[in-house]
Amino acid sequence: NAGVTQTPKFRILKIGQSMTLQCTQDMNHNYMYWYRQDPGMGLKLIYYSVGAGITDKGEVPNGYNVSRSTTEDFPLRLELAAPSQTSVYFCASSFGGTTEAFFGQGTRLTVV
Amino acid sequence: EDKVVQSPLSLVVHEGDTVTLNCSYEVTNFRSLLWYKQEKKAPTFLFMLTSSGIEKKSGRLSSILDKKELFSILNITATQTGDSAIYLCAVDLPGTYKYIFGTGTRLKVLA
Repeated sequence: NAGVTQTPKFRILKIGQSMTLQCTQDMNHNYMYWYRQDPGMGLKLIYYSVGAGITDKGEVPNGYNVSRSTTEDFPLRLELAAPSQTSVYFCASSFGGTTEAFFGQGTRLTVV
Repeated sequence: EDKVVQSPLSLVVHEGDTVTLNCSYEVTNFRSLLWYKQEKKAPTFLFMLTSSGIEKKSGRLSSILDKKELFSILNITATQTGDSAIYLCAVDLPGTYKYIFGTGTRLKVLA
């Protein structure tokens, strides 16, 4: 099983550019999450989804957008990239809202 | 404000030592507390704790939750260099499906 797959693994963006981080899972999980992890810090929740068509903001949603048109996919969109968005981004999924989450391998994003 | 605090922030030990990592939280009525290990990349699941006073064990790792005092500990006995990682603790927010993560404890085990 592939589990949670994120693409790309690395990306450098210029200030003001946009991009979409892709996340797909093959475990038929309803719950999906996007986190960011800054150096030396824990994970901060950006957005989450409890099922196709349903998304909600986490702790740090500003500057990001998400959509959930299918159970499998949960892309994260960055509009007008800023240096403050330099971070490692993790997508995760879980079967239930209070069960263990499975994480993708992360996307390291640098905004210059 | 809901908060999860882990201590120590970092720790260096020698192989064979026993370590205790702490997680305290200011979230009441939560349902579960999770421990993850993060090596170079993605966090991997270690334990989920939902009941106070019941120890979960997996090999040299064990964890226990004290819901009254609002903390959890993760013990690692006979540490090995492969235990070097960041250990993250997370608590779910009541009424939501969101987890709040602590900043993690960076453990380095020297040979």
